[in-house]
Amino acid sequence: GAVVSQHPSWVICKSGTSVKIECRSLDFQATTMFWYRQFPKQSLMLMATSNEGSKATYEQGVEKDKFLINHASLTLSTLTVTSAHPEDSSFYICSASRVVIEQYFGPGTRLTVT
Amino acid sequence: GNSVTQMEGPVTLSEEAFLTINCTYTATGYPSLFWYVQYPGEGLQLLLKATKADDKGSNKGFEATYRKETTSFHLEKGSVQVSDSAVYFCALSSFTGANSKLTFGKGITLSVRP
Repeated sequence: GAVVSQHPSWVICKSGTSVKIECRSLDFQATTMFWYRQFPKQSLMLMATSNEGSKATYEQGVEKDKFLINHASLTLSTLTVTSAHPEDSSFYICSASRVVIEQYFGPGTRLTVT
Repeated sequence: GNSVTQMEGPVTLSEEAFLTINCTYTATGYPSLFWYVQYPGEGLQLLLKATKADDKGSNKGFEATYRKETTSFHLEKGSVQVSDSAVYFCALSSFTGANSKLTFGKGITLSVRP
């Protein structure tokens, strides 16, 4: 149990376009979902926390207008990277939580902006 | 703020060797501590956790003890296998309002040779 999926697993987009990444909890209802960014050979950096039905809470330094997060249901959260630029290229990982201290991670999405 | 420091990698061992991966933390209050593992091409998986001082987390032959006096949570395994090759992340959780937030170390890559 506690499986989290992400789609797509890999995406290439042109600079200036927007791309949406989906995160789904497949076999449980997630009250909270998290979005992380991972740079090569570096740690996961939390971007934002979202609770179903409410606005996401963004970490300091993360542009909320650039990284739009929607958590419309207990099993789905989306991250939209708007007007993407090459510096947004990264590995984006979501996690979902059904109890407070445990998070279950998706496999990640590799975004490349050309 | 909270932080997690892991020893520098990568680490390469022969099969059946003893493994120690160091992790120290800085946190206010009483965080829970975790080790996550990321196998190639997969998402992070919880390996083990400890929620209070002197607790020992264990799973799949791995162990780590929550040492408050040294603010450490070192990961050990007596005899590693090739299948243990992965990236290992130490993390702590802290509460922010109603949510719990994870802070990760940089991760360390372990390669086990047959």
